[in-house]
Amino acid sequence: GAGVSQSPSNKVTEKGKDVELRCDPISGHTALYWYRQSLGQGLEFLIYFQGNSAPDKSGLPSDRFSAERTGGSVSTLTIQRTQQEDSAVYLCASSVQETQYFGPGTRLLVL
Amino acid sequence: AQSVTQLDSHVSVSEGTPVLLRCNYSSSYSPSLFWYVQHPNKGLQLLLKYTSAATLVKGINGFEAEFKKSETSFHLTKPSAHMSDAAEYFCVAIMDTGRRALTFGSGTRLQVQP
Repeated sequence: GAGVSQSPSNKVTEKGKDVELRCDPISGHTALYWYRQSLGQGLEFLIYFQGNSAPDKSGLPSDRFSAERTGGSVSTLTIQRTQQEDSAVYLCASSVQETQYFGPGTRLLVL
Repeated sequence: AQSVTQLDSHVSVSEGTPVLLRCNYSSSYSPSLFWYVQHPNKGLQLLLKYTSAATLVKGINGFEAEFKKSETSFHLTKPSAHMSDAAEYFCVAIMDTGRRALTFGSGTRLQVQP
């Protein structure tokens, strides 16, 4: 089967615009994570979905960030009113038995 | 505080010589530990994982790591480096028994000289 896929692979946007990043996890993986990889902060956890439970949003850096997971599968990370400091690579991972498998990431550049 | 520390930000070796990438963790219990590799402009790939079944863990591409509880270490080794091993390596732990999110070390960039 296919691995975790993410789209778009690259996104350039203007400051103040909203962006949506998509993640398709591995089929059958009930857990899904979003991380952010940036030069100054390294890799940091953003949000976690497990089955039908309420997501753990404790890693989201501000209320401009939100995410949803529809039907326990595809997830969308939305950043509203983007800022230059949001520029980073956004990584999605799906998990089985503690092992997380990562997608290729979406590279976001906010001008 | 629970954390993962990679002791070297850069390591340079010659092709054919051993590789040692050092990692220490700080946790109130025995965490699950992983090493991931990231090649330039590529996603994170799992090299190996430790989940208490055996202290010496073998991974892909000839890499292995040894969990030493007394030293709170999980160093990554390979007997003979190959040019294709040049990449960034992340030591990673699951510290939180609830959400099981990964805590990443800061990464070690491995250079392999011909």
